[in-house]
Amino acid sequence: DAKTTQPNSMESNEEEPVHLPCNHSTISGTDYIHWYRQLPSQGPEYVIHGLTSNVNNRMASLAIAEDRKSSTLILHRATLRDAAVYYCILRSTDGGSNYKLTFGKGTLLTVNP
Amino acid sequence: NAGVTQTPKFQVLKTGQSMTLQCAQDMNHEYMSWYRQDPGMGLRLIHYSVGAGITDQGEVPNGYNVSRSTTEDFPLRLLSAAPSQTSVYFCASSVSRSPNYGYTFGSGTRLTVV
Repeated sequence: DAKTTQPNSMESNEEEPVHLPCNHSTISGTDYIHWYRQLPSQGPEYVIHGLTSNVNNRMASLAIAEDRKSSTLILHRATLRDAAVYYCILRSTDGGSNYKLTFGKGTLLTVNP
Repeated sequence: NAGVTQTPKFQVLKTGQSMTLQCAQDMNHEYMSWYRQDPGMGLRLIHYSVGAGITDQGEVPNGYNVSRSTTEDFPLRLLSAAPSQTSVYFCASSVSRSPNYGYTFGSGTRLTVV
């Protein structure tokens, strides 16, 4: 499986934008980029996903580099509720393991009031 | 819209006991799966199902059984609990196994085997 690299931790202030980076230099053309987050003592929560183009939804935006070797999850105005571990995950359309989510260590986001 | 509901939220078992972790979804999702989360290990896939009557093994299936008799329910059975099965268990569902869809997770069952 293609691997992702994320910073271990990041810090932000409330109501400021947050840019969470993810490197995936070995990404293949059929890999989707997914982001999940996990709040303390809760299950993972789907945030957003994309293939090639930038994506927006009510929770966040996903900016994908032109060469697709990196992506950035953007939280436009961080709130205290956004404090969580954020996971960047690649999912392929090829092969028999496209159902599986492979969680790495993710980025622990701290939001300061 | 309840999403994915897991019961119980907490459970303590003695070694050798059996139990069933319940998972139900009300979104008519085709795909359902079970993960376990251990400190420092991330989430690991136990079993999954691509539809009623169809199940398959994930990465760590030993000691667990599943069945999928309805679209809504996907229970996970621990046959003879062992301390190594102490973990937090999450059930997840999706419209399909396609990577063009996200997963909805339940809130988890925290299991301790003593």
